[in-house]
Amino acid sequence: DVKVTQSSRYLVKRTGEKVFLECVQDMDHENMFWYRQDPGLGLRLIYFSYDVKMKEKGDIPEGYSVSREKKERFSLILESASTNQTSMYLCASSLLTGGLPEQYFGPGTRLTVT
Amino acid sequence: GNSVTQMEGPVTLSEEAFLTINCTYTATGYPSLFWYVQYPGEGLQLLLKATKADDKGSNKGFEATYRKETTSFHLEKGSVQVSDSAVYFCALSGYALNFGKGTSLLVTP
Repeated sequence: DVKVTQSSRYLVKRTGEKVFLECVQDMDHENMFWYRQDPGLGLRLIYFSYDVKMKEKGDIPEGYSVSREKKERFSLILESASTNQTSMYLCASSLLTGGLPEQYFGPGTRLTVT
Repeated sequence: GNSVTQMEGPVTLSEEAFLTINCTYTATGYPSLFWYVQYPGEGLQLLLKATKADDKGSNKGFEATYRKETTSFHLEKGSVQVSDSAVYFCALSGYALNFGKGTSLLVTP
């Protein structure tokens, strides 16, 4: 069965801390994505990656960076956490090409920055 | 650019009522269309999908038809259950998915 896991379900951090959110998929997918979900705004794409060590900015990359050193792992980094980064973070993965670009999602990490 | 507009919620229905959640899209080319569902405390799950005009996606009693002439992909279910209470997202394919803002559905006994 397809599986995307995220390192934490809930996380509380202080303003200014460096925060790492980890995502692992076991499906050998090329593409991986980070979204944030906020009430009334839906899902917004932060970054995505289509291969190891490759990354592309999404719609709202400011204040974030990413790392993809291995195919199965995609990390989201908040260099200096701020209260406006309090949100639900969702990781997803998909095949690169061929057929339907269906994405598989992890359970999410609810991050609170105080 | 590509975008999705879906009806705002929350939608509250009684069990066994008929459900429609409207979704319209703007896109260049011929995108694939999706409905995802998010149950409380969980990530998103694919509910159904359609790849070309007039395709009908269906799953768990839910249906949606890809209508190119009206650029719509409305979600329907003939008889909702309490267990259908969730947030529903319409999405269309690009390199990443473009999501609507979500529609919260509450089904009461």
